[in-house]
Amino acid sequence: EADIYQTPRYLVIGTGKKITLECSQTMGHDKMYWYQQDPGMELHLIHYSYGVNSTEKGDLSSESTVSRIRTEHFPLTLESARPSHTSQYLCASSELGRGNSPLHFGNGTRLTVT
Amino acid sequence: DAKTTQPNSMESNEEEPVHLPCNHSTISGTDYIHWYRQLPSQGPEYVIHGLTSNVNNRMASLAIAEDRKSSTLILHRATLRDAAVYYCIEDAGNMLTFGGGTRLMVKP
Repeated sequence: EADIYQTPRYLVIGTGKKITLECSQTMGHDKMYWYQQDPGMELHLIHYSYGVNSTEKGDLSSESTVSRIRTEHFPLTLESARPSHTSQYLCASSELGRGNSPLHFGNGTRLTVT
Repeated sequence: DAKTTQPNSMESNEEEPVHLPCNHSTISGTDYIHWYRQLPSQGPEYVIHGLTSNVNNRMASLAIAEDRKSSTLILHRATLRDAAVYYCIEDAGNMLTFGGGTRLMVKP
């Protein structure tokens, strides 16, 4: 069952547009993550959060920004989309812990910038 | 970053057991070992995790070496629906780094 939701599932947009990818979870998890994945390639962590008002950059530099105003919501924004941003974006969440809490992933947003 | 090493791909026949290996030679004593799998066009899904002891759940078994430098994910009877990319990850409760994983192909 899906307890973490990403919208839209697919998005095709022109260069220069501002976009926001939505991610919501209903499990009350404190930790949330955004990963970027090109087809057939590894997942790269671009942002994560330990809770409300906490955001950190991941190990892959990204021009996107995130916010965490509510526990359940972790949107990702691109101020000006470019073709190089074309990729799949995966949101995940987990409980706070020392490695004993599995990640729950959404089904991703596949972004195409033309 | 914590890094693991896995074979790029493996093949299995349907209905046979599959042993997916993972090396994590630099793992610290408190890092958990997690396995996830990613089916085509989906986000990764959790499979199993453990610290020191072997673990079993409805999806798979996890065998952890005594020195914790390697582990093996065991699918007891592979089905076509098990064809996916399997990721082995060290989890210290911080950022999680995914490697390339093992692409499992299941032949009917």
